[in-house]
Amino acid sequence: KAGVTQTPRYLIKTRGQQVTLSCSPISGHRSVSWYQQTPGQGLQFLFEYFSETQRNKGNFPGRFSGRQFSNSRSEMNVSTLELGDSALYLCASSLANARFDEQYFGPGTRLTVT
Amino acid sequence: LAKTTQPISMDSYEGQEVNITCSHNNIATNDYITWYQQFPSQGPRFIIQGYKTKVTNEVASLFIPADRKSSTLSLPRVSLSDTAVYYCLVGAQGDNDMRFGAGTRLTVKP
Repeated sequence: KAGVTQTPRYLIKTRGQQVTLSCSPISGHRSVSWYQQTPGQGLQFLFEYFSETQRNKGNFPGRFSGRQFSNSRSEMNVSTLELGDSALYLCASSLANARFDEQYFGPGTRLTVT
Repeated sequence: LAKTTQPISMDSYEGQEVNITCSHNNIATNDYITWYQQFPSQGPRFIIQGYKTKVTNEVASLFIPADRKSSTLSLPRVSLSDTAVYYCLVGAQGDNDMRFGAGTRLTVKP
């Protein structure tokens, strides 16, 4: 079956703009998590959605938000972009209720803020 | 959430067995140990998960001693394509956070 897909794969934005990233989980997976990966901070958890509800949230400012649709597809939005938001944004889905279950990661969206 | 400690980097040669050890001294009773592999510009990939003793699948083995304060990921007969970063995670189902550490950068040489 198809894996986790993320769109777009690459994105260049300017400081102050906003961006929306999309994630389609594996069919049947109801949990979607988002991560930010940078060389300096590594992989950091942003938030997790399950059945259209945000279930967990990491330590990121309110400029980072997300949502999940009834078909489990998820979007994350970053408003008022800063240079430090340049990163690889990864989406992961899992089958069960528990987030520590095996997660399947997408290829990521590489965001560059100039 | 149990803190984990892994070596920053390791080198190996093709065909050798590689063992990467992760320390997690304050692991809780309900915690599982999970390992992920990540190649550059790709998302991490689940390798193996265990609770105690030994778990083996088609790509790796995971050894967990009785006190569960550490675990060892064993990769048999590595190849150049095993060059990647390996992450050890410890946590329980339903944990509010899934924290990746710095991982171990494994370089396999010909």
